[in-house]
Amino acid sequence: SQQGEEDPQALSIQEGENATMNCSYKTSINNLQWYRQNSGRGLVHLILIRSNEREKHSGRLRVTLDTSKKSSSLLITASRAADTASYFCATVPYWNSGGSNYKLTFGKGTLLTVNP
Amino acid sequence: AAGVIQSPRHLIKEKRETATLKCYPIPRHDTVYWYQQGPGQDPQFLISFYEKMQSDKGSIPDRFSAQQFSDYHSELNMSSLELGDSALYFCASSLEYEQYFGPGTRLTVT
Repeated sequence: SQQGEEDPQALSIQEGENATMNCSYKTSINNLQWYRQNSGRGLVHLILIRSNEREKHSGRLRVTLDTSKKSSSLLITASRAADTASYFCATVPYWNSGGSNYKLTFGKGTLLTVNP
Repeated sequence: AAGVIQSPRHLIKEKRETATLKCYPIPRHDTVYWYQQGPGQDPQFLISFYEKMQSDKGSIPDRFSAQQFSDYHSELNMSSLELGDSALYFCASSLEYEQYFGPGTRLTVT
């Protein structure tokens, strides 16, 4: 079953604007990660937020996590055309936290288009 | 910096044929994961290996098998291919939570 659902499925903005993507998940998590995927290519890790964290920043990225609502958001500020890609959230379930296997359960993804 | 290497990058097979996908993880990474991504879909976890032992299994058909070798490279073997197996297959490696993905193998079954 799908762990995460992304919202919106597609987002089109102008360069310089901010982009916000949301993700919801169903089970308790150890951490939540955001990945980026350019069309048909490999996924690139962007940022990880642990279940005991509420907000995290990395460059132009800001991630928030609300474990009570089982949701996260990714904000990309001052977007660029090069930010055009699909963005996925992925969770590591809480019961995986003690072992060596940290398989990811991905959400559906948001296709972000940044127009020059 | 070294990245995850996958081969081949593209593969075309006919129904009922067999395919073998290879993955070379980042040196010193102890865990390898395989994911399948159908057209317009999110990646789905197939199987993982920790220190050459299978550590977890997801929605992997019985027709698929995988192993990790002594040099840590991994192979995903797919038999009796079906049209629905057409997808991007990713390998990822990690030391902890953050996973590093390869470029993927695009498998097309005709």
